[in-house]
Amino acid sequence: GAVVSQHPSRVICKSGTSVKIECRSLDFQATTMFWYRQFPKQSLMLMATSNEGSKATYEQGVEKDKFLINHASLTLSTLTVTSAHPEDSSFYICSAEGSSSYEQYFGPGTRLTVT
Amino acid sequence: RKEVEQDPGPFNVPEGATVAFNCTYSNSASQSFFWYRQDCRKEPKLLMSVYSSGNEDGRFTAQLNRASQYISLLIRDSKLSDSATYLCVVSSIKTGANNLFFGTGTRLTVIP
Repeated sequence: GAVVSQHPSRVICKSGTSVKIECRSLDFQATTMFWYRQFPKQSLMLMATSNEGSKATYEQGVEKDKFLINHASLTLSTLTVTSAHPEDSSFYICSAEGSSSYEQYFGPGTRLTVT
Repeated sequence: RKEVEQDPGPFNVPEGATVAFNCTYSNSASQSFFWYRQDCRKEPKLLMSVYSSGNEDGRFTAQLNRASQYISLLIRDSKLSDSATYLCVVSSIKTGANNLFFGTGTRLTVIP
């Protein structure tokens, strides 16, 4: 089956630093990758959609300069949280969509804690 | 108005019970419908797609009513391992990508 990995699984950083999260599709090529975040007891909220080689499309209310997304290859997308603050602490989950179907395969998530 | 609305629960049921979850969605142009399961601190995993004709997968039955914009999930003979949060998910094609909209989830606890 389609496998998506994320790294790191958990990160704790200090306020003001930047954190990079990687999302990889391990056994398929992902034409589109999605980044979500989930605050406690809330639903997954789509942050942005990225297609390989083009700029990401951000959802309303998500700052593109704060959440930098790079989708440099068909198997890798990165999300960089710049100048992280405690309110950015959340569960960040990526998903990848293959070229043959619209099904999204989710990564295991990255739990970010900003102190 | 939220894209997808669910009763957050919690639902606490004994083993062997039948439990039903409901969900409504606001976008009448939505194309695909799913139930996902999410365990605590884990990523969501696809449980089943939902079709207009209704579909069954073992102890799980999903129904879709497009006219009422309503989706349901029925779990029969509940097992302890069914304890999780069940997410109602609706998708629509937006700018060429398949965007998923998640409900907040309904928490189920199956009690021995």
